[in-house]
Amino acid sequence: DIQMTQSPASLSASLEEVVTITCKASQGIDDYLSWYQQKPGKSPQLLIYDATNLADGVPSRFSGSRSGTQFSLKIRRPQVDDSGIYYCLQSFSTPWTFGGGTKLEL
Amino acid sequence: QVQMKETGPGLVQTTQTLSVACTVSGFSLSSYGVHWIRQAPGKGLDWLGVIWGDGNTNYNSALRSRLSISWDPSKSQVFLTMNSLHTDDTAVYYCAGNNSPRLWYVLDAWGQGASVTVSS
Repeated sequence: DIQMTQSPASLSASLEEVVTITCKASQGIDDYLSWYQQKPGKSPQLLIYDATNLADGVPSRFSGSRSGTQFSLKIRRPQVDDSGIYYCLQSFSTPWTFGGGTKLEL
Repeated sequence: QVQMKETGPGLVQTTQTLSVACTVSGFSLSSYGVHWIRQAPGKGLDWLGVIWGDGNTNYNSALRSRLSISWDPSKSQVFLTMNSLHTDDTAVYYCAGNNSPRLWYVLDAWGQGASVTVSS
């Protein structure tokens, strides 16, 4: 199975920062990496797919990048509404696997 | 627009079998995969498995022996069955899929989740 190592597990950020969350895959997954945001009591929502493509309706302050098997989600000038838990997901091969999650507080 | 809704028993006993149904609308089950994901209280997301549009299935490696995913396309329903329940199977069970067959590898449509408590 492909392991997705996500870091950090939690972070607290200010509204003027650039927040960076990373996921490292245990083997190559091409660009089959998506990012999800989950707010308390809600279902996860897709933010980014193909490692770098913004899902419909997602603000442009979110961005994704890839370097080899390491993937990053960046949030520029995060808003209070961006608080929540973020997960990466690899869908290169079954079983699909999620990262452990990053709790973001603003 | 794809919509998905889970229906579960709420409370089940240890050692028994869990069945959760996912009713979908806005697409044909023969065109898309439907995935199951669970989330234990205070924990992360755990991918359980998928039934693809051709009826083939794939499962979480650690839970494979206890899981089964099936479907009834005539009722637009997908079913998750898990046997030999433990208390640590207590979780919210989600079904998820996608709005476009082109993006079969992302999950952009989620149900609201079915909360299941396993109690002895």
